[in-house]
Amino acid sequence: QQQVKQSPQSLIVQKGGISIINCAYENTAFDYFPWYQQFPGKGPALLIAIRPDVSEKKEGRFTISFNKSAKQFSLHIMDSQPGDSATYFCAAVSSRLTFGEGTQLTVNP
Amino acid sequence: GAGVSQSPSNKVTEKGKDVELRCDPISGHTALYWYRQSLGQGLEFLIYFQGNSAPDKSGLPSDRFSAERTGGSVSTLTIQRTQQEDSAVYLCASSFQTGEDTQYFGPGTRLTVL
Repeated sequence: QQQVKQSPQSLIVQKGGISIINCAYENTAFDYFPWYQQFPGKGPALLIAIRPDVSEKKEGRFTISFNKSAKQFSLHIMDSQPGDSATYFCAAVSSRLTFGEGTQLTVNP
Repeated sequence: GAGVSQSPSNKVTEKGKDVELRCDPISGHTALYWYRQSLGQGLEFLIYFQGNSAPDKSGLPSDRFSAERTGGSVSTLTIQRTQQEDSAVYLCASSFQTGEDTQYFGPGTRLTVL
């Protein structure tokens, strides 16, 4: 059972544009929502995370927006750069991580 | 400080053979996780160790899969009688404790079953 649904599966953005990746969950026991970034041939690495008591968290060009009532959260990458090209996974934590399916982001120069 | 290391980085085996994949977590991390990532897919949870507690094996896909963690440190994931559908990247992660603690991933072992 997929408890965290992520979309889109792939995304192509021009340099300088905004990349938006969306996730939705059902389990209200989830209480922590990290995003992981994975480059080819590497393991995922934590990018940014949010708790459900805040609606937004920003770190540099990366922002998480969180809608607790809708059980949805999203990652926004502002001023997207070719170096941001990677696979992004949303996740949700109760006792352990449950990952979304991943989004392959390509930022064209 | 060293991160999570995994060996081998690549493993090619024949159908029906057994394989062992190794994970060395970050020193001091009590939680250790194994995931499987098939080509273009997300991360599928396999098993999780926390300290001396009984492992959470709820993600293991069949009884051909097993894992152990010796001395609260190194872990070995064993796949018996490998099948072609076992071909994937097997990722190990460790965290200081569990739950919200950041998981640090190794580079993975790419398993190919011919």
